[in-house]
Amino acid sequence: NAGVTQTPKFQVLKTGQSMTLQCAQDMNHEYMSWYRQDPGMGLRLIHYSVGAGITDQGEVPNGYNVSRSTTEDFPLRLLSAAPSQTSVYFCASSRRLAGGYNEQFFGPGTRLTVL
Amino acid sequence: TQLLEQSPQFLSIQEGENLTVYCNSSSVFSSLQWYRQEPGEGPVLLVTVVTGGEVKKLKRLTFQFGDARKDSSLHITAAQPGDTGLYLCAAPPTYKYIFGTGTRLKVLA
Repeated sequence: NAGVTQTPKFQVLKTGQSMTLQCAQDMNHEYMSWYRQDPGMGLRLIHYSVGAGITDQGEVPNGYNVSRSTTEDFPLRLLSAAPSQTSVYFCASSRRLAGGYNEQFFGPGTRLTVL
Repeated sequence: TQLLEQSPQFLSIQEGENLTVYCNSSSVFSSLQWYRQEPGEGPVLLVTVVTGGEVKKLKRLTFQFGDARKDSSLHITAAQPGDTGLYLCAAPPTYKYIFGTGTRLKVLA
């Protein structure tokens, strides 16, 4: 199993450009999520999905769109990149554990710089 | 907005020393998780604590959930360079996770 894969690993954009960060998992997990990680701020939830066709907003959704057409894929779209979106982006998928809580598996991240 | 505050923010110690990092909140959580993140990688789950007062051990790492389920601690005994990384607490571990600000640990050989 490859686990959670993310592409690209690095990306530089100019202000106003759009792009899609790709995320795929091969563990058949229903739940997937996107986070951004900024220095001193930990991980902040952008969007999440509890299954194909179902998405919802997290803590910092503005400027980002998601869709979930398959269980495996959960792309994150930046509509019009801004310097404030410079960050490291992590995708995660989760499995439900016996205690009723989730165990998250993270991808390796995408480091995005917006000039 | 629920917040998880971690302390200290940075910690640099010598190999063999003991250390404790803390995760505090004003909110009550049903459970709490600890993750470790190494440079250039995503976080990896270490443990989930679910009962107030619960203590879990993972080799040299001891995790405790506060009696009131508002705080947690991670104690490392005889730290090794391989323990170097960013330690993150997270709650509640269902759909809408909140992560703490993190403690960056460096263990010097």
